[in-house]
Amino acid sequence: AQKITQTQPGMFVQEKEAVTLDCTYDTSDPSYGLFWYKQPSSGEMIFLIYQGSYDQQNATEGRYSLNFQKARKSANLVISASQLGDSAMYFCAMREGLKGGADGLTFGKGTHLIIQP
Amino acid sequence: SAVISQKPSRDICQRGTSLTIQCQVDSQVTMMFWYRQQPGQSLTLIATANQGSEATYESGFVIDKFPISRPNLTFSTLTVSNMSPEDSSIYLCSAGGGISGELFFGEGSRLTVL
Repeated sequence: AQKITQTQPGMFVQEKEAVTLDCTYDTSDPSYGLFWYKQPSSGEMIFLIYQGSYDQQNATEGRYSLNFQKARKSANLVISASQLGDSAMYFCAMREGLKGGADGLTFGKGTHLIIQP
Repeated sequence: SAVISQKPSRDICQRGTSLTIQCQVDSQVTMMFWYRQQPGQSLTLIATANQGSEATYESGFVIDKFPISRPNLTFSTLTVSNMSPEDSSIYLCSAGGGISGELFFGEGSRLTVL
């Protein structure tokens, strides 16, 4: 079974609108972290936001927020007031175990977000 | 945050040859990770490189095909051996060290095998 599922292969959004990118995850480990990365066409991976499994509040970083619903095992990324520069691939990822552990991240298949003027 | 440099950034290789990708981190890190991103696909972890011990490979990846070196806490190499067109991918080096445990990534090495 996939550990990270992103069900939206692509999304078109009008500039200045808010956009929600879906991510569900599967783990039996009570300790885990969820990450979102942005990959523009240039290819670099840019870390956006992190949510720990024990965090009580949803994470926010500027225009990015994470809608964390633990019981539903979902960690959707919300981008407010979208901009043309937000057009990119977005990947949800998870690390199982405690923060700072030795394991790499498991990535979802990604969502290609296109912001239209 | 860690700054990670990879080289080469891109290369075109002939079938049957091998290529070594270098990864340099600007700070000492315990773990380094190598990922593969096939065209239009997500990132797949190849192996975890820990200084002073053999790399740990994920299912579907073997040392003979992807030998890894980790001579010190700031450097690692990944070799793609006996390449075939199916090895055409972006190979990304990453390391931890973020406050939230996030990984930082190099710019990637885009390999095309003819």
